[in-house]
Amino acid sequence: EIVMTQSPATLSVSPGERVTLSCRASQSVTSSLAWYQQKPGQAPRLLIYGASTRATGIPARFSGSGSGTEFTLTVSSLQSEDFAVYYCQQYNYYYTFGQGTKLEIK
Amino acid sequence: QVQLVESGGGLVKPGGSLRLSCAASGFTFSDYYMTWIRQAPGKGLEWVSYISSSGSSIYYADSVRGRFTISRDNAKNSLYLQMNSLRADDTAVYYCARGEQRILRWFDPWGQGTLVTVSS
Repeated sequence: EIVMTQSPATLSVSPGERVTLSCRASQSVTSSLAWYQQKPGQAPRLLIYGASTRATGIPARFSGSGSGTEFTLTVSSLQSEDFAVYYCQQYNYYYTFGQGTKLEIK
Repeated sequence: QVQLVESGGGLVKPGGSLRLSCAASGFTFSDYYMTWIRQAPGKGLEWVSYISSSGSSIYYADSVRGRFTISRDNAKNSLYLQMNSLRADDTAVYYCARGEQRILRWFDPWGQGTLVTVSS
């Protein structure tokens, strides 16, 4: 099983700040990585696939990068609606998720 | 618009069974891979199972293999998850999600989820 590790577990940031979330795979997943956003009481929403391609309707302030074992999700200027939990998911060999990073308001 | 609506969750005793359903609309259901993902209370996401568009290809996570059965009825635009021999650690919100037309890579969109609670 490919283990996905996200860091940090929680990030306290202020609206308007730029933030970068990290995701590491236990072995190479090439560019087979997706990011999801989950707000309380809601289902996850796809943000990024292929490590760097934004899903339909996702604002340009969200960007993804990386390949192999190291990946990042960057939000260029945090809006109030961006405070949520973010998960990475690999699909290179079946499917596993990271444990999530919670973005909270500072 | 694409919509997925799960149903069938509830409280069940350990060792019991439950059948979840996912009603799809807004797209040609028979063209797409479908999948189930679960989330234990306050925890992260765990992929459970997938089924190909025709139903000919099926796979399960090790944690549910032999106890859960995924199926679909393309005539009814519906996805199912038959869950047998339920255990306390199966307690979770179960989401159905759509894949792509010839493959399952990322999951988009997701339904709102249905809660399964396994407890005596």
